[in-house]
Amino acid sequence: EVQLVESGGGLVQPGRSLRLSCAASGFTFDDYAMHWVRQAPGKGLEWVSSISWNSGDIGYADSVKGRFTISRDNARNSLYLQMNSLRPEDTALYYCTKEVLGGALGDVWGKGTTVTVSS
Amino acid sequence: AIQMTQSPSSLSASVGDRVTITCRASEDIRNALNWYQQKAGRAPKLLIYAVSTLQSGVPLRFSGSGSGTDFTLTISSLQSEDFAAYYCLQDFNYPITFGGGTRVESK
Repeated sequence: EVQLVESGGGLVQPGRSLRLSCAASGFTFDDYAMHWVRQAPGKGLEWVSSISWNSGDIGYADSVKGRFTISRDNARNSLYLQMNSLRPEDTALYYCTKEVLGGALGDVWGKGTTVTVSS
Repeated sequence: AIQMTQSPSSLSASVGDRVTITCRASEDIRNALNWYQQKAGRAPKLLIYAVSTLQSGVPLRFSGSGSGTDFTLTISSLQSEDFAAYYCLQDFNYPITFGGGTRVESK
């Protein structure tokens, strides 16, 4: 069964850091680009970041560029999101998702991990 | 960044209705347009990618059309399980952007 399991969320003060992880199973992880998408409480979906299969192509939303870093470890079938200088507006449910091979994001989604930035 | 304007933001419909949701890109995105469904408390689900390709397992009552800047998601005959939020997304270039969403509610 294809599965994505996010972890690492929690309550953090503004300006601090957090690292999210996404453990992948049931598919050949290093064949696929991976993505982070977030959803603030009661709001719509917001794309955060993407990374290609070999980490050669990476993109970020303008709202997180310079603060967040996406990475992956294909040997560990894991995706990461290092979040620095967190702001209250980063409060959201963070989803990990994989692409349809060679195509669109969102083939499979995790259940998400919640990040709350508050003093 | 490419802006995705989705309309309407919400609509009320009955089972059996034909429902149409539109998405307009601020510039030409060729065919790099996907549609997602999200039910309350659940992760999103990919319905359609590359404008009109149905994701595996998605019922045939869902269809997508359009090109360039104007795109449409159509549900030919709304079913009870289709009451949800729908989002378009462009992945033509970075930053990838979602539309604001359309909530389909029961009339």
